[in-house]
Amino acid sequence: ETGVTQTPRHLVMGMTNKKSLKCEQHLGHNAMYWYKQSAKKPLELMFVYNFKEQTENNSVPSRFSPECPNSSHLFLHLHTLQPEDSALYLCASSQQLAGSSYNEQFFGPGTRLTVL
Amino acid sequence: DQQVKQNSPSLSVQEGRISILNCDYTNSMFDYFLWYKKYPAEGPTFLISISSIKDKNEDGRFTVFLNKSAKHLSLHIVPSQPGDSAVYFCAASVPYGDSNYQLIWGAGTKLIIKP
Repeated sequence: ETGVTQTPRHLVMGMTNKKSLKCEQHLGHNAMYWYKQSAKKPLELMFVYNFKEQTENNSVPSRFSPECPNSSHLFLHLHTLQPEDSALYLCASSQQLAGSSYNEQFFGPGTRLTVL
Repeated sequence: DQQVKQNSPSLSVQEGRISILNCDYTNSMFDYFLWYKKYPAEGPTFLISISSIKDKNEDGRFTVFLNKSAKHLSLHIVPSQPGDSAVYFCAASVPYGDSNYQLIWGAGTKLIIKP
């Protein structure tokens, strides 16, 4: 596997289910991100992990819970979601260098989530 | 309030002609601007970037222009090819915390290249 991989690619879940999205990066990067993309809207940053520590949480509801066990893996645990949470969830990684503002991010293919 | 705006949801261009995609921003603290391209069922892929200290960057058929006084940047694709049909996102790198940076994204412009 190369680049950034995400599983599953598609997920349909009921509002009472618990599921997890998985992301793995094979690029040796030190930062990983979860984004939500809704139709015709900008990508919304949800969580950032830098050196395995969560450094950003953009007021995301607690029904979304991230986990970063190491610098290559990132999970997004989902529970009691709402229909408006249906969206494309994208994982990305980047190599953040001290003193550099350049932040080119590499994306996985995304998980298309539908909440019934 | 959107800090990065792409006001054209879609753009249709004849194959072989020039495609010009526009992006406006409000925050003068942005250090870098990046353009990404996205095909359906795939994640965005990096295309080209420009530092805020430059006004032009060119890579093959792709050129990005930055007008800091107008807080405007544009991506030129010439000549346009059918494979360029995709959604194009403009993003800006902005500092947060002590030494980290995040990307602020526009809503995207769908480019359609007509044969």
